[in-house]
Amino acid sequence: DAKTTQPPSMDCAEGRAANLPCNHSTISGNEYVYWYRQIHSQGPQYIIHGLKNNETNEMASLIITEDRKSSTLILPHATLRDTAVYYCIGGSNYKLTFGKGTLLTVNP
Amino acid sequence: DGGITQSPKYLFRKEGQNVTLSCEQNLNHDAMYWYRQDPGQGLRLIYYSQIVNDFQKGDIAEGYSVSREKKESFPLTVTSAQKNPTAFYLCASRDRERLTQYFGPGTRLLVL
Repeated sequence: DAKTTQPPSMDCAEGRAANLPCNHSTISGNEYVYWYRQIHSQGPQYIIHGLKNNETNEMASLIITEDRKSSTLILPHATLRDTAVYYCIGGSNYKLTFGKGTLLTVNP
Repeated sequence: DGGITQSPKYLFRKEGQNVTLSCEQNLNHDAMYWYRQDPGQGLRLIYYSQIVNDFQKGDIAEGYSVSREKKESFPLTVTSAQKNPTAFYLCASRDRERLTQYFGPGTRLLVL
């Protein structure tokens, strides 16, 4: 699995876009980029994943650089309920390796 | 209502005691996983099973055992050999078509 690097914490104002960066310079060509989030004392929640192309769903957008060495998760209009630890994972879907993630705090 | 259920939500273990954590899914997923999470840390893989009657060790399998007799169920036993069992335990199953894992709500194990 690819090693990923994320900032330990970030802040965002409610209603603004939250942009969470992730570096995964060792990702191989067939490994996906996955994003999960975990609200305190709950199980991780799947957000989005991608291989090469940018992806969008009802929760977020995922922007992957052309060289696939980094990506950005975008929450377009952050709410207080988006406060959580966000994990960026580079790997195959059958085995996920979680780092410490980024604690995103959405402030009123 | 489809999903992954884990029980109990909290579990207390006495020294030298084995305890079993339950994980059930009705999503018709073939693969299931057990992870352990310590405070302030990411998840670490204990065991996984890609098909009934087959399972593989993850990164931290020592002191744990599993069984996979039914597709829907993947119980985890924390044995007395696990010297530091206090943690948050998470079960997941994999959607092969969507290439994603989905997690249950977790069981918090505490040692008395």
